[in-house]
Amino acid sequence: NAGVTQTPKFQVLKTGQSMTLQCAQDMNHNSMYWYRQDPGMGLRLIYYSASEGTTDKGEVPNGYNVSRLNKREFSLRLESAAPSQTSVYFCASSSDRGKNEQFFGPGTRLTVL
Amino acid sequence: GEDVEQSLFLSVREGDSSVINCTYTDSSSTYLYWYKQEPGAGLQLLTYIFSNMDMKQDQRLTVLLNKKDKHLSLRIADTQTGDSAIYFCAASGAGSYQLTFGKGTKLSVIP
Repeated sequence: NAGVTQTPKFQVLKTGQSMTLQCAQDMNHNSMYWYRQDPGMGLRLIYYSASEGTTDKGEVPNGYNVSRLNKREFSLRLESAAPSQTSVYFCASSSDRGKNEQFFGPGTRLTVL
Repeated sequence: GEDVEQSLFLSVREGDSSVINCTYTDSSSTYLYWYKQEPGAGLQLLTYIFSNMDMKQDQRLTVLLNKKDKHLSLRIADTQTGDSAIYFCAASGAGSYQLTFGKGTKLSVIP
């Protein structure tokens, strides 16, 4: 039982390049989330998926797209990376909207030059 | 929207108790959480409290909730060097998918 896994762990991009961050969970959770963490800013929600087939914007969705491929997988795409997207990205999942106990992956550290 | 505030730094001596404080603005928040983040790692859920409770104890951890003042605290008894980490407070509204996080309190434990 691996919990929430994320790939890659580290990535360096040049401005304008694109990439997809992958996330998978093996806990049979319905809901999945993408956050970014910046120094002094805490965690900010980019997008979430309440259930398979649905996605919704969070606090900071501009410059990102997401795909809920199936119940297990939720990917985050940067179509044209910008230096402002340099951050640590965390994926999380939860089973129960009521208690909303979220389990986090180890993160992807992204640098955009 | 919801706003969650925490002090940024706390330093304690090994063996002492640590108290990390948090305030939130939305009185309809139903669950409040404490997460721990060690360097280079993701967030680990430590504990949570439902809004109709005023205290929850789990081994060395005690959570106190003052709903009237919208104030949450996390007490760590007998603090150890392994407790050094960033601690995040988070709040969730009724039926909401979204958690609102504070900026995190960096706890440093002095041996």
